Parts: sequence; C-alpha cells; structure tokens
Amino acid sequence: AQTVTQSQPEMSVQEAETVTLSCTYDTSESNYYLFWYKQPPSRQMILVIRQEAYKQQNATENRFSVNFQKAAKSFSLKISDSQLGDTAMYFCAFMNPISGGYNKLIFGAGTRLAVHP
Amino acid sequence: EAGVAQSPRYKIIEKRQSVAFWCNPISGHATLYWYQQILGQGPKLLIQFQNNGVVDDSQLPKDRFSAERLKGVDSTLKIQPAKLEDSAVYLCASSFFPRGRLGTEAFFGQGTRLTVV
Repeated sequence: AQTVTQSQPEMSVQEAETVTLSCTYDTSESNYYLFWYKQPPSRQMILVIRQEAYKQQNATENRFSVNFQKAAKSFSLKISDSQLGDTAMYFCAFMNPISGGYNKLIFGAGTRLAVHP
Repeated sequence: EAGVAQSPRYKIIEKRQSVAFWCNPISGHATLYWYQQILGQGPKLLIQFQNNGVVDDSQLPKDRFSAERLKGVDSTLKIQPAKLEDSAVYLCASSFFPRGRLGTEAFFGQGTRLTVV
C-alpha cells in the first residue's frame, strides 16, 4: 500500500526567507502524481504545485518549487521569499491509478508552517 | 468555473443524533471523494465514487456512515448515530479522470465542521 510521510509537524520562518518542507512516499508504481496542498485556517484545500512522476524536471510555480527525487521517493517543497499569507498547513499528497480505472489519492499528516514578520 | 460546493459549513449535534452533508462537485468530474479530517491530522479517505459507483469504501465505518451519489453528480454523506469521535471536518473533493489517463488533481470544497457533543 502507498504511504506518504511528512516528518516535520511544525516549521517556522521569517518573512522574506526561504523554507523547505519535506515529504517521502512509498510506492511500487512508476506512473503517478505528487501534489502539495495548502490549507489555511479557512479550511479550503488549495493546490500549490504538482509533479508528474515521468517528468524529470522539477515543477515550479512562482515562489514555490519542488525537489523531486524519484529514486529516493522524496518530494520536498521550497517556498522562497516567504509571505505572511503562506501561513497554513501544508499537505503532501500522492495520486496513482488503480487497476479498474480510477485514481487513489492519499495524504500525509501535514506540516504546520508559521511565517513571522 | 464553479468550484466544489458543500453544505452546511458548520453543524453541532448531540451524540446518537443523525446528520447529513451535501456535496456538489465540479461539472464533468467523474471522481468524487469524501474525506474525514480530524483536527491536526491529514485527510483520511472515507469513500470514493467513480460516476455513481463506489470504488473504495474500505475506511468507511459502515455501521454508522453511509453515502450515495445521485445520478453521478451530487453526493450525500450521512452519519447515524453520531459518536463523539466523529467530530471532524468533512471534506468533499472531485477530479476529472479521462479514460486511459492518470487524471487531474482533486479540487476541494470548503468542508463541513462537525462537532458532536
């Protein structure tokens, strides 16, 4: 069974600095997606960035980038120039196709990020 | 494009009462997920629909939880009778799953916060 592990329950960073959140996963599949979702206090899960396993190039979205190490099954999120609005829970998630024709989406336990002025 | 709609946003009930949550996914999304998120934890999949069929309900407490997806669109999740440990946020999400492809990321509603007293 696939698992997603986030080993940092809480992180903090000063405004304008850079922070990296860690995620590891376990799977025997070769074709899958990895995601980082942000959940602010409003509870709405918002997609931050996604990575397709067959793409070697690391995904980037403005201040957010990932370090995807497929062999090591590692998928970390780097937030550059941190802003107060980045304060939230961040979840790493894994999606893979299941025989029978549907996707299974599982989440890690989350990392609470606090950005301080 | 309209997002995933959920109602109600908040619900407080006494233990042993029943409660129902409603979800309207994004138009055209065949996959619908219900997750339970206990405070401080990552979302746990309760049930997943592909169109109007259940593809995964392995973690649904079937003695008290039930769900249906009418005509492959709206979905209702019910708890009867509720227990104190059911206090959580219930998240509904949907994704597009083109035949033969991995699918897209999941889009989430704002969730329903349930408090059982």
